[in-house]
Amino acid sequence: DSGVTQTPKHLITATGQRVTLRCSPRSGDLSVYWYQQSLDQGLQFLIQYYNGEERAKGNILERFSAQQFPDLHSELNLSSLELGDSALYFCASSVAGAGGRETQYFGPGTRLLVL
Amino acid sequence: AQTVTQSQPEMSVQEAETVTLSCTYDTSESDYYLFWYKQPPSRQMILVIRQEAYKQQNATENRFSVNFQKAAKSFSLKISDSQLGDAAMYFCAYRSAGSNYQLIWGAGTKLIIKP
Repeated sequence: DSGVTQTPKHLITATGQRVTLRCSPRSGDLSVYWYQQSLDQGLQFLIQYYNGEERAKGNILERFSAQQFPDLHSELNLSSLELGDSALYFCASSVAGAGGRETQYFGPGTRLLVL
Repeated sequence: AQTVTQSQPEMSVQEAETVTLSCTYDTSESDYYLFWYKQPPSRQMILVIRQEAYKQQNATENRFSVNFQKAAKSFSLKISDSQLGDAAMYFCAYRSAGSNYQLIWGAGTKLIIKP
């Protein structure tokens, strides 16, 4: 158990809908990262938050947004869902996120299926 | 841009034997970190081992060790005394030591353990 929690574990929804994925980082970790793992594109970095502020952005679609709350949990919002958004969404956390040596520890993921 | 390549989609090894998984990367940076993550059927992403580029010494973690060849940009993972529980997808990942904190992933190698 990495100490990172994600809810829900599974999500089935329809095209055009909106969903919210939730992540709680390990105790003491200030940085949260979101990754998408899909069959056709592999693992891709979406976005990083550090202590409530956006730190880095990757291949995140405009239909997707995220935020990190004062208690450091993070939410990834996916809207106008398309079939191709079906994937496993991982959250990871690390102590700081300011470069350096810290390692990212991953949650169990949320499996999203868009029908 | 940095890239990570895992040229072996699948590898198999007899239980108790040794197997080496290959990973090459491309970067113009001199300071960075390399990781091997394991993803078993549960889909959890588990850190196996980490290597700092500035360290000459190869990292080891129990039965897992790496062969880090900085000049060749090669980072292979050796698993000794393979066990059935080692069966999983193995991903090689790169992270800059600078301002870009995202992990850049290889496509993964599926490791099959034969009893």
